[in-house]
Amino acid sequence: ILNVEQSPQSLHVQEGDSTNFTCSFPSSNFYALHWYRWETAKSPEALFVMTLNGDEKKKGRISATLNTKEGYSYLYIKGSQPEDSATYLCASQNTGTASKLTFGTGTRLQVTL
Amino acid sequence: DAMVIQNPRYQVTQFGKPVTLSCSQTLNHNVMYWYQQKSSQAPKLLFHYYDKDFNNEADTPDNFQSRRPNTSFCFLDIRSPGLGDAAMYLCATSRVDRVWGNEQFFGPGTRLTVL
Repeated sequence: ILNVEQSPQSLHVQEGDSTNFTCSFPSSNFYALHWYRWETAKSPEALFVMTLNGDEKKKGRISATLNTKEGYSYLYIKGSQPEDSATYLCASQNTGTASKLTFGTGTRLQVTL
Repeated sequence: DAMVIQNPRYQVTQFGKPVTLSCSQTLNHNVMYWYQQKSSQAPKLLFHYYDKDFNNEADTPDNFQSRRPNTSFCFLDIRSPGLGDAAMYLCATSRVDRVWGNEQFFGPGTRLTVL
């Protein structure tokens, strides 16, 4: 994998459903993986920064896992709520260019009642 | 609250007419970034300032320039906007030393329309 890739591109779920998205990234020279939530008309907001293989982080109903050897991360949302509707972006950070993030195209989540 | 502010939120310009987008921060972060995001694409880094050091991405067109007069402010100048420059422009900041990279804090973006 040369680029950061996210799937699915968009997702439409009902309130209360649990869902997950995938982020694939180059595993060579890996330093960190970032997840952001971007609500319409607002600033992208950092959710997690993950660095270690096997890392799992949690914030409320949202959690993320990291596999640096195979180059993927999953973001899980348990019991989706309408306020979870947003675009979820992941970005990888490599050694040697520690200040630079390479973003995926995002997963657009819509949660309806 | 400490934050990243972008002005204006929406900018309309004419083909070929120079335009400047503004970003300011109250976080006192040493690094400031400009990203371009076109519809359905990933945010693409244009350049960043590490303190006063300007770092241009190899594929950023010469049409795009930046200024950072002080720690708090950073400007994106588009000298002759083309229709293909219509996009969302995101400013971000980060506190980074030479070894560790940290999360970036984003402004809400400026949506540029070129007529």
